[in-house]
Amino acid sequence: KQEVTQIPAALSVPEGENLVLNCSFTDSAIYNLQWFRQDPGKGLTSLLLIQSSQREQTSGRLNASLDKSSGRSTLYIAASQPGDSATYLCAVNTGTASKLTFGTGTRLQVTL
Amino acid sequence: DAGVIQSPRHEVTEMGQEVTLRCKPISGHDYLFWYRQTMMRGLELLIYFNNNVPIDDSGMPEDRFSAKMPNASFSNLKIQPSEPRDSAVYFCASKTGWGEKLFFGSGTQLSVL
Repeated sequence: KQEVTQIPAALSVPEGENLVLNCSFTDSAIYNLQWFRQDPGKGLTSLLLIQSSQREQTSGRLNASLDKSSGRSTLYIAASQPGDSATYLCAVNTGTASKLTFGTGTRLQVTL
Repeated sequence: DAGVIQSPRHEVTEMGQEVTLRCKPISGHDYLFWYRQTMMRGLELLIYFNNNVPIDDSGMPEDRFSAKMPNASFSNLKIQPSEPRDSAVYFCASKTGWGEKLFFGSGTQLSVL
């Protein structure tokens, strides 16, 4: 059974810092991995999708990398801003079924 | 595009009552998912449909839960009878294809008293 872990559970950084969020998964036979952002009381917003054949994806200040063999992904946020404050979740698509297994998320706070 | 639309946003009901949650997926999306989110268990997949057909309902907790997708633009999730432990945020999500990005609705906050 696939298990997804995100460390740390919570993170507070001052504005302007670069930061890295970590995601690990137990079954490396994944088809893709997706990073989401969730604001309080809202749904999830997809940030980046990395297919299993890819090593990384970039969107603006966000960069996600994937090391499938070691079961790890990182989300790098450059020059963090208070508006980046949210919970970030990673999710992996494993097996022939089109189901995502989610991590429990990292709650990020960017302070002024 | 309006995105995935869920209704109601909030639902408060008494134990034993029937609850119906509704979802309109993004037009053209062939996959629809129902998730439940709680502090204790995080995000759990309840059921998903492909081309209106239920594919995997192994996450549906009990027979009290049922979901239908009568056409490509609508799905509902019913709980009958509801219990306090069903209190959670229920999300609907959709996507175009098997390996594509998943788009979530804003969720329904359900409280069963």
